[in-house]
Amino acid sequence: DGGITQSPKYLFRKEGQNVTLSCEQNLNHDAMYWYRQDPGQGLRLIYYSQIVNDFQKGDIAEGYSVSREKKESFPLTVTSAQKNPTAFYLCASSSTGGPDTGELFFGEGSRLTVL
Amino acid sequence: AQSVTQLDSHVSVSEGTPVLLRCNYSSSYSPSLFWYVQHPNKGLQLLLKYTSAATLVKGINGFEAEFKKSETSFHLTKPSAHMSDAAEYFCVVSDRGGNKLVFGAGTILRVKS
Repeated sequence: DGGITQSPKYLFRKEGQNVTLSCEQNLNHDAMYWYRQDPGQGLRLIYYSQIVNDFQKGDIAEGYSVSREKKESFPLTVTSAQKNPTAFYLCASSSTGGPDTGELFFGEGSRLTVL
Repeated sequence: AQSVTQLDSHVSVSEGTPVLLRCNYSSSYSPSLFWYVQHPNKGLQLLLKYTSAATLVKGINGFEAEFKKSETSFHLTKPSAHMSDAAEYFCVVSDRGGNKLVFGAGTILRVKS
């Protein structure tokens, strides 16, 4: 089945450690996104990529980094510079252009807890 | 700049009664509008979308929404709530390019038996 796979589902990190969240899609979508979700705040965009080897900062990129070496993969690294990393992280993808523009397909999320 | 306001953080209904989740938007040009649903500890799923065709949009699971430009609203409704509808719902606005989506803060729907 086509979809988006995020791993790990749960992750615990000690302060000062970097962690990388995986996101893989087999929908053949050009665009991929990382969102952070905190209770009562909706989703906030961290980074997005519309094409391989290119990505743009979203609204809350500080303390995060990404890469897009393959169309299928868009990993997110939460660095030690992120002041409050405990959150639910959601990866999404979409086709670009055409009538489905703006429709996102989401993974099941990764919950990061800093100890 | 675009923005979206979900007017209720929590809504509680009894099973079998109508559901109304309210959303107002602000956009400097003709927007696309979406409703997504999220069950606990899951990703979001698209319920329905408005992209300048019919103003009354039908979605999955019996949900529908009406785009009212004069009121800048896009409220989500369902005639009869089911227990499985209990979830968090997000109203979303995007520009025509769809590259930048703005999410509302979410409305948690509780369905009582």
